[in-house]
Amino acid sequence: AQSVTQLDSQVPVFEEAPVELRCNYSSSVSVYLFWYVQYPNQGLQLLLKYLSGSTLVKGINGFEAEFNKSQTSFHLRKPSVHISDTAEYFCAVSRPIQGAQKLVFGQGTRLTINP
Amino acid sequence: GAGVSQTPSNKVTEKGKYVELRCDPISGHTALYWYRQSLGQGPEFLIYFQGTGAADDSGLPNDRFFAVRPEGSVSTLKIQRTERGDSAVYLCASHPGPGANVLTFGAGSRLTVL
Repeated sequence: AQSVTQLDSQVPVFEEAPVELRCNYSSSVSVYLFWYVQYPNQGLQLLLKYLSGSTLVKGINGFEAEFNKSQTSFHLRKPSVHISDTAEYFCAVSRPIQGAQKLVFGQGTRLTINP
Repeated sequence: GAGVSQTPSNKVTEKGKYVELRCDPISGHTALYWYRQSLGQGPEFLIYFQGTGAADDSGLPNDRFFAVRPEGSVSTLKIQRTERGDSAVYLCASHPGPGANVLTFGAGSRLTVL
């Protein structure tokens, strides 16, 4: 079975500062890795995904993440945040069995951007 | 439709009542998922449909929960004898089918059981 740990439940950052949201996973088999963002009263929106290949993955809104197999991590980064990045961020893993995408999510990290 | 549509967006009910939540996936998407997101938690898998059949219902918490997808498109999540602990946001997601690796989520149905 897979599991995901998001190490920070809340991260406050000043506008235009860099940010890193941490994610570690546990799995005995290869997995796909995802970051989703959830804005208030909205559904989950995919930020980026790692399936295979280059370990540095670029997503929407200037976010990127790096897959580190030895550390079983998939941390999310942005060099300069904006007020509009205030949201809940979820790391997730899946095991692509027969095309199914049964995601296992972390508990989420609430990113708050202060002016 | 253009996205995954869920109705109602908000539902308040009393303990012991029956509730139905509806999901209309993206047109042509054969796979449909239900997740439950409790306050302060990440979403948790409930059930997955491929076409009309439930391919994996291992996440349903007990026999009060049931879901159907009779024509392989719209799905209904049914909760009998609701309890206060059922209060959560119920999320629906879909993808085109085998080989697809990204889910598209709806905005969710917020259920409050008083």
